[in-house]
Amino acid sequence: QAVLTQPSSLSASPGSSPSLTCTLRSGMNVGTYRIYWYQQKPGSPPQYLLRYKSDSDKQQGSGVPSRFSGSKDASANAGILLISGLQSEDEADYYCMIWQSNAVIFGGGTKLTVL
Amino acid sequence: QVQLQESGPGLVKPSETLSLTCSVSGDSINSYFWNWIRQPAGKGLEWIGRVYPSGTTNYNPSLKSRVTVSLDTSRDQFSLKLTSVTAADTAVYYCARGPQAGNSNTWYFDSWGQGTLVTVSS
Repeated sequence: QAVLTQPSSLSASPGSSPSLTCTLRSGMNVGTYRIYWYQQKPGSPPQYLLRYKSDSDKQQGSGVPSRFSGSKDASANAGILLISGLQSEDEADYYCMIWQSNAVIFGGGTKLTVL
Repeated sequence: QVQLQESGPGLVKPSETLSLTCSVSGDSINSYFWNWIRQPAGKGLEWIGRVYPSGTTNYNPSLKSRVTVSLDTSRDQFSLKLTSVTAADTAVYYCARGPQAGNSNTWYFDSWGQGTLVTVSS
């Protein structure tokens, strides 16, 4: 079982508010982790979007629009990236990331298609 | 604004050693960790390892036995060596900065190179 599991793909309409999930492996507690999110467009390196652990421990990347936000679903043991008011330019791959014992773990990524 | 640029051979033979260098410009190489991350075509990101100017290194446990990341502060460069490569090591290799030591709000990769494709093939 992968440490971080993301749906491979998601489609959504412009103006909608899709949620991208990042589920932690059983036995890990999402509440103890800062979840980092990156956006990657074709032919470019990933760009940092934000970090979320709790409402009191969160960080927006420099220049990242406020319509990108983070949250958690403790019942699902998952971090969530919410994109409000989806725009065509948001079509990209999205990766979650955590730190564990001075090592980085990435999720497999979600390809978001804007219909 | 810091800029990172990867360089090195684009083709490596199986069982040989992959060697890449990342040149850093626009900011001091001190006080940050410097990382290598790779991405096979059409697949996800995999962190390889990092180095700090003190010489401290951390590696992905799955690659640790084959990886060395080192830093040359006099040249503002850091390097990756990956031994005994196979076709599975074919990927775009990125260098990236982060975090800044002692700053818990910087535990992310804030600057990336454009990436360099390395193909392992005879």
